[in-house]
Amino acid sequence: NAGVTQTPKFQVLKTGQSMTLQCAQDMNHNSMYWYRQDPGMGLRLIYYSASEGTTDKGEVPNGYNVSRLNKREFSLRLESAAPSQTSVYFCASSEDGGAGDTQYFGPGTRLTVL
Amino acid sequence: GNSVTQMEGPVTLSEEAFLTINCTYTATGYPSLFWYVQYPGEGLQLLLKATKADDKGSNKGFEATYRKETTSFHLEKGSVQVSDSAVYFCALHSGSARQLTFGSGTQLTVLP
Repeated sequence: NAGVTQTPKFQVLKTGQSMTLQCAQDMNHNSMYWYRQDPGMGLRLIYYSASEGTTDKGEVPNGYNVSRLNKREFSLRLESAAPSQTSVYFCASSEDGGAGDTQYFGPGTRLTVL
Repeated sequence: GNSVTQMEGPVTLSEEAFLTINCTYTATGYPSLFWYVQYPGEGLQLLLKATKADDKGSNKGFEATYRKETTSFHLEKGSVQVSDSAVYFCALHSGSARQLTFGSGTQLTVLP
């Protein structure tokens, strides 16, 4: 049981390049999330998917797109990377997104945009 | 909107010292409250949670009580260990918002 897995672990991009961050969970969870973590700011939600086939914007969606490929996988795409997107990105999943639901986090992707 | 204010760090303690990390919140409705911990180089993992007023969450010697009257959820541990060194995040989840709102995190270092 791997939980939530993310690839890659590290990535360096040049301004304007594109890339996709991959996330998969094996807990049969309905809800999945993408957060970014910046120093002194906690985690901020980029996008989430309440269930397969749906996606919604979070607090900081600009510059990102997402795809809920199936129940297991939720990818995050940067179409034209900017230095402001240098951050650590975490994917998470939860059973149904309800108020008391525990979110389970992946190990993170550290992205640097030059 | 929802917000979480957490005690700023970093916090440095000696082994076996008492730990308190303050957390207060603003939320609509009746949120659930969480403490997550992040060890170096890892993702966040749930430490404890409480889903209604006066509930106490506890795990690994850590405790926090959901105080609706003071809108607080302070984290405490009676005797910290070096292995408790990590970043601690307070968070809330309001069902209507369908997302976690995090505090800024508190870095704890425990010295032997």
